[in-house]
Parts: sequence; structure tokens; C-alpha cells
Amino acid sequence: LAKTTQPISMDSYEGQEVNITCSHNNIATNDYITWYQQFPSQGPRFIIQGYKTKVTNEVASLFIPADRKSSTLSLPRVSLSDTAVYYCLVGDNGFGGSQGNLIFGKGTKLSVKP
Amino acid sequence: SQTIHQWPATLVQPVGSPLSLECTVEGTSNPNLYWYRQAAGRGLQLLFYSIGIDQISSEVPQNLSASRPQDRQFILSSKKLLLSDSGFYLCAWRGQGLSREQYFGPGTRLTVT
Repeated sequence: LAKTTQPISMDSYEGQEVNITCSHNNIATNDYITWYQQFPSQGPRFIIQGYKTKVTNEVASLFIPADRKSSTLSLPRVSLSDTAVYYCLVGDNGFGGSQGNLIFGKGTKLSVKP
Repeated sequence: SQTIHQWPATLVQPVGSPLSLECTVEGTSNPNLYWYRQAAGRGLQLLFYSIGIDQISSEVPQNLSASRPQDRQFILSSKKLLLSDSGFYLCAWRGQGLSREQYFGPGTRLTVT
């Protein structure tokens, strides 16, 4: 599975847009890019997933350049409740025979201040 | 809708004692099931995954074991706990077919003293 690199921590203020970039230089053709959010003492929660270009849902956008070697999670107008750890993962979701196992790194700790 | 349960929520056990953590899933059948551990200040480490009853794969060698006696039940065990087994244990499930998300349970906070 492709290894990912993302900043250890980021600070922001309420109402700002936050962009967290993840590098995955060894991403494979079958791999998807997935982001999870984790609050303290809770299990991670799925945020968004994409393969290429741009994906948007009700909570975030995911930008993936043509070479797919990086991706950027964009959180519009963050609030205090967005303070959490954000994980970037790549994997083939099980369609490539890996059983869809997820390899979590240390993630990016986002701190939103008032 | 699907629900995943874990118990207990917190556990304090002495070194050398046995461990049994249970995870059950409702509202789905034949899920892929996973056990993760998160040590303090670290990312999640995949310990075991299962694609069916009595089909368990271990990702990391350790003194822990897993069993799946029923389709929607996943148990994490140890005969003798070590201090290094302390952490936050999470169970997760993933559906078959085109489902891409993993859904995590509430977790068990284990402290080995």
C-alpha cells in the first residue's frame, strides 16, 4: 500500500478555509484516496474519497491533480468543532485483492481557534 | 441502518492477566471486520482483519489473537497482557462489494498496569 506524508499539525481560526495536503508519490493505478476525521477517544469517521480531479460533498472537497501524487482536503469555513486529527489514506478498497485494508499514519492534528 | 458495538468502553487490567474485547455489528451481513490499536499520540495500527467466520489474518505479530465465531462477532483476546498492550482498541467493519468506507466502533480504552 502506498505510503502517505502529511503535516503533523495545523492551526486555523473559525470561519477560515483549511487546506491539508497529503503526498503519496507511490500511489498505484487501482488506489483511491480517502480522508478520515478522528476526535479524541472516538473512532475515525469517513469524510471523503476520490480517484482523480475534484470531489465535493456536504462537508469537504478533495482536490487531486492529474499525476495523483498528492491530494488536498479542503474544509470550508471551519468551526471549533472541526478540531480533530485528519488522516489521508490510499488503497485499492479491496478491489485489488488487499481486502480493503487501511494503513493509517499519524495524521494531521488540526486546531481551530476562536 | 448498521450499528457497531464494542465493549467494554474502558478497562484496567494488570500485567499478565487475560483479555477479551468484543465487537458486534448489526444491520449487515458478511462484513469484513477489523481490529485496530492506537497507542497514545500515534496513528492507528491494523492488528487483524477477517473476511468471514473463522477466517482471520494477522497484520502484526504480537501476543494478541482474534476470533470470529459468528458472522457479525469479532473478538480480540490475549492470554497474558503486557504493558505495551495499553491503548485504544477500535473495531471496524466494511461491507462487501462496492462499499469503500470503513465504519468504526466507539472503541475500548485499555490500560495495563
